[in-house]
Parts: sequence; C-alpha cells; structure tokens
Amino acid sequence: RKEVEQDPGPFNVPEGATVAFNCTYSNSASQSFFWYRQDCRKEPKLLMSVYSSGNEDGRFTAQLNRASQYISLLIRDSKLSDSATYLCAAGGSGNTGKLIFGQGTTLQVKP
Amino acid sequence: NAGVTQTPKFQVLKTGQSMTLQCAQDMNHEYMSWYRQDPGMGLRLIHYSVGAGITDQGEVPNGYNVSRSTTEDFPLRLLSAAPSQTSVYFCASRGPGGYEQYFGPGTRLTVT
Repeated sequence: RKEVEQDPGPFNVPEGATVAFNCTYSNSASQSFFWYRQDCRKEPKLLMSVYSSGNEDGRFTAQLNRASQYISLLIRDSKLSDSATYLCAAGGSGNTGKLIFGQGTTLQVKP
Repeated sequence: NAGVTQTPKFQVLKTGQSMTLQCAQDMNHEYMSWYRQDPGMGLRLIHYSVGAGITDQGEVPNGYNVSRSTTEDFPLRLLSAAPSQTSVYFCASRGPGGYEQYFGPGTRLTVT
C-alpha cells in the first residue's frame, strides 16, 4: 500500500464545474503537504502548499484534515486549461526534504 | 539560474548495460531526490539526499545507486539495466525550510 493514495480518475467535467480531489496519507508524522500539477510529458510544478487552516488561491482551495489523514483540492469554475494531472504529496517527519507522492488524479475539462 | 538540469533527455539501453543519469542544480539546495514515474503509479521516490555525503533510500531503491559528493550534483546509477526500469526519471531539489520542490525536465529511459 502506498504511503500516499489518490483516486487516479480520470475526472471528466464540463467547463465551469466544481471538482474536488482527495488524497489520504498513512504516515501520521508527516508535517507538510502539497498539491502539484503535471501537464502531459512535463515535469510536475507546485500548485499550492496545504496548511492546517486551509488555503485558497483564486479558484483553488486546499484543505488538510489531520485527524482523518487526508488532504483535498477544490477547483471552482473549471477552465479548459485546468486539464492536467494533479499530484498530492506528503513530506516526511522533520525537515528531511523527503516528499512522497500519490498516484496522481487526471482531470479533463471539456467545453 | 538554470534550475534543475538532467541529462540525457532520452536513452535506450540493452538489458544488462549500466549507465548514469545526471542531475545538477544551481540553487544551492540541500535536498535532492530521484523519482521514477510509470503509468498509473505516480511519482515513486528512488533515493534522496539531505546534503553532500548523505543519501538515503526511498520507496523503490533496488537496482539504483546514488552518491552526493557536491551540493550541486546528484547522479543516479543503474548498475545492470532491466526492462522493468523503463520509465521517466525526474530529479528534484528543495531548499531547507523551502516548501517548493523544483523538478528537472526528466529523462525518458527505455530498456530493451
């Protein structure tokens, strides 16, 4: 069982829809959490960090639930350009720089 | 700033051959990692390093060696390539206290 798990999808949604991705992690000592975006055949890039208090960046909202050990990403008013693979990641305990990724969730936004 | 660079971009190996994937970063980052990405498996951590001279195993270390003699470079060695090592390999680096992990463009490796 992977330390970080995601539903791989694909999620096919129409433009303007709201879509939510969840990700669970098994290492309760993890202290940092992130969402990365990866376009086809490109390297992943940081979308946003996830804080206990939740954080929002425009149409994107990320939340962390430590009790249930999951993080979520909400995308509102989906755009065609949001089509990509979204990867969640959990950092190890302490500041080791070690980052474990989930399998990734594929989002396809259709006109 | 070139960021994280990887060479080669593409490589084809025969089973049993060895090779080194190169990774360098010019951001003076302490933390560097190697991942492989296969369809449906996401990014899996192979090895990582918290500084020059210090390396540790990740999720899938078998068949790979690493060393970190300088802050800038973190090469990944395939000792005896196997078809199961056909994958896209990403190198990444991260500064201390910095949250963003920067990835290189990847190396697409095929083992026949």
